[in-house]
Amino acid sequence: NAGVTQTPKFQVLKTGQSMTLQCAQDMNHEYMSWYRQDPGMGLRLIHYSVGAGITDQGEVPNGYNVSRSTTEDFPLRLLSAAPSQTSVYFCASSYKDRGRRFFNSPLHFGNGTRLTVT
Amino acid sequence: DAKTTQPNSMESNEEEPVHLPCNHSTISGTDYIHWYRQLPSQGPEYVIHGLTSNVNNRMASLAIAEDRKSSTLILHRATLRDAAVYYCILRVYNQGGKLIFGQGTELSVKP
Repeated sequence: NAGVTQTPKFQVLKTGQSMTLQCAQDMNHEYMSWYRQDPGMGLRLIHYSVGAGITDQGEVPNGYNVSRSTTEDFPLRLLSAAPSQTSVYFCASSYKDRGRRFFNSPLHFGNGTRLTVT
Repeated sequence: DAKTTQPNSMESNEEEPVHLPCNHSTISGTDYIHWYRQLPSQGPEYVIHGLTSNVNNRMASLAIAEDRKSSTLILHRATLRDAAVYYCILRVYNQGGKLIFGQGTELSVKP
């Protein structure tokens, strides 16, 4: 298994440009999520999904869109990039346990996408 | 959202045990306690999780207080590779299992 794969690893955007950060997992995990991490800070939850067709907002959703059309993929879209969105972005996924619950399973993280908006 | 409180930083000597504390006084009966760590320039890595009983795995042990309002991550013999930020997080039953990270404890290990 490749685990959680994020692309690209690095990206530079100009203010106002749009782009999509890709996240794919091959573990058949139902739960997927996006975090951002700013220098010297912890991770903040942007959006998450508990299954295909279902998404919900996290702590800092403004400026980001997500969709979940398949179990494997959970792309994060920046509609109009701003310098405040300069950050490292992490995608993470987890499975449901035998009781069909998420909270008894670990999160698997990707290696991150480092985004700079100038 | 359920919150945890951890010291900002701790120091340890190599090959000695390390006890990383976490307070979670607002924990509910169905919330799981998760620990992750993040090495410099890497994504977070799962360490251990538990509900009520103490847990052991190849990386660490998790000691959970009887009232569940606190827990301790135990690294039995710290190595230089254990220097990282350690996050104690509650994974909450009624929030779709989402994980909200706090600031974590930065662990430094001295040779």
